Amino acid sequence: DQQVKQNSPSLSVQEGRISILNCDYTNSMFDYFLWYKKYPAEGPTFLISISSIKDKNEDGRFTVFLNKSAKHLSLHIVPSQPGDSAVYFCAATPNSGNTPLVFGKGTRLSVIA
Amino acid sequence: SQTIHQWPATLVQPVGSPLSLECTVEGTSNPNLYWYRQAAGRGLQLLFYSVGIGQISSEVPQNLSASRPQDRQFILSSKKLLLSDSGFYLCAWSLSGGYTFGSGTRLTVV
Repeated sequence: DQQVKQNSPSLSVQEGRISILNCDYTNSMFDYFLWYKKYPAEGPTFLISISSIKDKNEDGRFTVFLNKSAKHLSLHIVPSQPGDSAVYFCAATPNSGNTPLVFGKGTRLSVIA
Repeated sequence: SQTIHQWPATLVQPVGSPLSLECTVEGTSNPNLYWYRQAAGRGLQLLFYSVGIGQISSEVPQNLSASRPQDRQFILSSKKLLLSDSGFYLCAWSLSGGYTFGSGTRLTVV
């Protein structure tokens, strides 16, 4: 049973345009959400996070939006750059230090120059 | 600063052979440690996690095992590898909230 779902396995976007990556979750206990970026043959690196007390968090070109009622979050990248091409993983946790993150299956973003 | 080391980077092993992957963390004490596997089309699957020395929680029943003999050392093992054990294995640590991942081990079982 997938508690964190990324329903789009891949996404192609032109350089300079907006990339929107979506994530849905089913566990209402989740209240802390993270996005990780992964290049081939490397470990994922932390990108941005959001707590359930907020509905938006912004860091440079990256913005994460959280809609708790819909159990949906999205990552916006504006403007998209070729170096953003990677697999993006959505993750969630009940914000307990000992509770492992639950990851989605990832979305492969390709930014075309 | 905290660093995480994972080795080897790549490994090719025959079916039925044993496995030992090691992960060590520097610059922190009593971290939570995790083993994940990325298999084709399956995202990041949690295999084991540990909140302290000798404390291992298993998430997925399989022929793999994990041990934490020291505070900052986490080992993934198997007595007999299966073809289905092929994948990209990632170690990670956390103190609270987000994780820091190692660089991963690409395991191919042939």
